[in-house]
This record gives sequence, structure tokens and C-alpha cells, in this order.
Amino acid sequence: DADVTQTPRNRITKTGKRIMLECSQTKGHDRMYWYRQDPGLGLRLIYYSFDVKDINKGEISDGYSVSRQAQAKFSLSLESAIPNQTALYFCATSDLRTTTREQFFGPGTRLTVL
Amino acid sequence: AQSVTQLGSHVSVSEGALVLLRCNYSSSVPPYLFWYVQYPNQGLQLLLKYTSAATLVKGINGFEAEFKKSETSFHLTKPSAHMSDAAEYFCAVSGGSNYKLTFGKGTLLTVNP
Repeated sequence: DADVTQTPRNRITKTGKRIMLECSQTKGHDRMYWYRQDPGLGLRLIYYSFDVKDINKGEISDGYSVSRQAQAKFSLSLESAIPNQTALYFCATSDLRTTTREQFFGPGTRLTVL
Repeated sequence: AQSVTQLGSHVSVSEGALVLLRCNYSSSVPPYLFWYVQYPNQGLQLLLKYTSAATLVKGINGFEAEFKKSETSFHLTKPSAHMSDAAEYFCAVSGGSNYKLTFGKGTLLTVNP
């Protein structure tokens, strides 16, 4: 089945370390997104990409960077992790060719920064 | 600009009772509206979506939602709750040309036996 996968699923790291979260999809979608989820705050958009050459900041991009290596791969980096970046991170995709705007989510990466 | 307000961060119902989860939205253009469900330790799964066709939208697992433009609402209902419905539910809106989704803060549904 066409899917959205995220690696790693869980990660514990220390303050100041560089971390990369990876997202891959086999849906053939051109649009990809990174969100973080915090209890009581819902999902907030970090970055989004409409194709390989198009990267856009979301509402909470400070402290994060992204790389769209190919249509199917979109990575999120924390250059110097801090404890308040402890959260559940989701990657999502959507298809430019449809009008419904539905997004398809990966299973999430739980990141803990000590 | 677009935004979503979900009234009630936690809703508790008895098994077999009506489920009503409230969502109000703000959008400067005709919106696309979504309800997603998140079961414990899982990602988000689409329950249903409104894309300017019928105002009463039926989704999976017996859920439905009604788009009311005059009230800017998109409340989620299910006539009879089941224990397996216990999860967190998110309402989301998308409007304009950027295709971004804006999520509400979520409502945790507890179903009591």
C-alpha cells in the first residue's frame, strides 16, 4: 500500500545535539509537511514543501530546518536541540492533482530532548 | 487568515450515548473542513471531509458532520458511542490558495462503560 513512513519512531537526545527526522512517501504526492504536536495545543505547522525546489516556513519554524531531497523524501533537522522541542512530530503529504486538500499522515516520531 | 476553535478539550460519554464534538471555524474564503481522529500512540486518520458538496457529510465508523455556514460550525456527531471511539479528535480548516491545514487544539473523547 502507498504509505507515509517516518524514521526514527522514537528518539531521545541531549540538549545541543543535532537531530534529523526523516519522512518518506510512496503515494506519489508532490506536497509534504512537517508538524509538531504538543498536548493541548493541537498540531502546528513547522515547514511545508510544494515541490523539490519550493520550501516554505510554517507558523513555528524557528530552531528547525528542512531538506527536500527528492519528491518522496522530506527531512526535518534540529540544528541544536533544546528541551522545549520535546514533542511528537508528524510528516504529512497531499496531492496537487486533487481538489479535496486532504493530508495523509505518517505514524509520528516521538522526540525527547533532555 | 483561518482558525479553528474546538469547544471542550475533554468530552466524556457513556457507551451507547450520543457523541457531539464541537468545531467552529474562521475563514475569509469558502473553507474545506476536516475531522481527523488519533488513537493512542498512532498517527492521524481522516474521519470525514467537507469540500463544498453536500452539507451533511458521512464518514467512517458511523460519524457524520454538518456544515453550517451561518453558524461557521462543523460539529461532529455519532448517534451511539462505542468503547472503540475513545480517542482524540481534531477539526481542521483549509482555505485560500496555499492548501495549508490549520488544526484545532483537539478534543479527547472518553467512553465510559
